Amino acid sequence: NAGVMQNPRHLVRRRGQEARLRCSPMKGHSHVYWYRQLPEEGLKFMVYLQKENIIDESGMPKERFSAEFPKEGPSILRIQQVVRGDSAAYFCASSLQDEAFFGQGTRLTVV
Amino acid sequence: AQTVTQSQPEMSVQEAETVTLSCTYDTSESDYYLFWYKQPPSRQMILVIRQEAYKQQNATENRFSVNFQKAAKSFSLKISDSQLGDAAMYFCAYRSANNAGNMLTFGGGTRLMVKP
Repeated sequence: NAGVMQNPRHLVRRRGQEARLRCSPMKGHSHVYWYRQLPEEGLKFMVYLQKENIIDESGMPKERFSAEFPKEGPSILRIQQVVRGDSAAYFCASSLQDEAFFGQGTRLTVV
Repeated sequence: AQTVTQSQPEMSVQEAETVTLSCTYDTSESDYYLFWYKQPPSRQMILVIRQEAYKQQNATENRFSVNFQKAAKSFSLKISDSQLGDAAMYFCAYRSANNAGNMLTFGGGTRLMVKP
């Protein structure tokens, strides 16, 4: 059973471009969570999704950020018009019931 | 809102010795879960140990154990017989038992260095 798969591992974008981060949860998991980790800080919760539904987006910035988890395919975290402050590691976790399993993260660098 | 505080940005331990990492949290809830995660340079978040707040007994996983003091809202991690592979960032995390989902609140982390 493959773990949580995130791609790409590294992503470089110029200011103003769009970034798309993908997360494939563990097989059978229907809950997906996105976290952001700024340098030298802990992970901060962004959004919680189930298939085709956003359950809790209390940690998402109000503008430029969006997330989806379609019926088929991976969950996508989309950042429009990236700025330097968006540079961070973005982690996805999935769960079935109790324990959350993390992917290896995508490091986004905005130049 | 819950908060998690790790007051030690960095800790150092000699190989084979014991080290304790501190974590305190703030919550008004009575039912919750606490976790310690390890993050090596690969960035992978690895669950080290978990504790249910309703359990009085401290959790133990091989060389890792916790000292859970519910009244003091303290949740420290003890690593015995430290190994070079234990060097990593360690994050304490809180999860409510009342909300739907597995949203975690993390502390700022402690960097553990292990000296040979």
